[in-house]
Amino acid sequence: GAGVSQTPSNKVTEKGKYVELRCDPISGHTALYWYRQSLGQGPEFLIYFQGTGAADDSGLPNDRFFAVRPEGSVSTLKIQRTERGDSAVYLCASSGRGQGSYNEQFFGPGTRLTVL
Amino acid sequence: GQQVMQIPQYQHVQEGEDFTTYCNSSTTLSNIQWYKQRPGGHPVFLIQLVKSGEVKKQKRLTFQFGEAKKNSSLHITATQTTDVGTYFCAGVMWENRDDKIIFGKGTRLHILP
Repeated sequence: GAGVSQTPSNKVTEKGKYVELRCDPISGHTALYWYRQSLGQGPEFLIYFQGTGAADDSGLPNDRFFAVRPEGSVSTLKIQRTERGDSAVYLCASSGRGQGSYNEQFFGPGTRLTVL
Repeated sequence: GQQVMQIPQYQHVQEGEDFTTYCNSSTTLSNIQWYKQRPGGHPVFLIQLVKSGEVKKQKRLTFQFGEAKKNSSLHITATQTTDVGTYFCAGVMWENRDDKIIFGKGTRLHILP
């Protein structure tokens, strides 16, 4: 079956611009996660959705970052007034089984964001 | 804040040799997960350990969870070129009345033919 998809695969933008990154989770998965991965680092947690609501947004670095999941499926990560330090690969993952907040996660291919 | 430390950062082994990566948490974990990321790829789930002292095997891979649920290891027997990649542990811990997940920085495995 289809896995997690993310669009675009690459995004180049200028400092100060607004960007939106999209994630399509595996059908039926209720949990959706956003991570940010810099070169040589592990994924850094940003936000976790259970259904339509953000169950934990404590990883968002500041108020320039915002994410939505209005219908409990597709999610969009929005970054305002981008800065060069925002450059990274943004990974989305979804999960659909097991107890607790974090279980087997299926990752998408990521969006590589470059802020010039 | 809470940390999940992973060592070594890099490991070069001859094909056929064994490989081990270690993960240590500053706090007790609810569970620990292991992921593999191939060069240019995305993390792929390998396993989740939940119980104190748990040991799980997947073919040549052996995963252990410490008795105190603060450390874990992944051991690969007789490495093959297909084992190349970065191995991440991800610790799930209870903090501020909620679960949190923290990934280690990973161990990058290089196989010398």
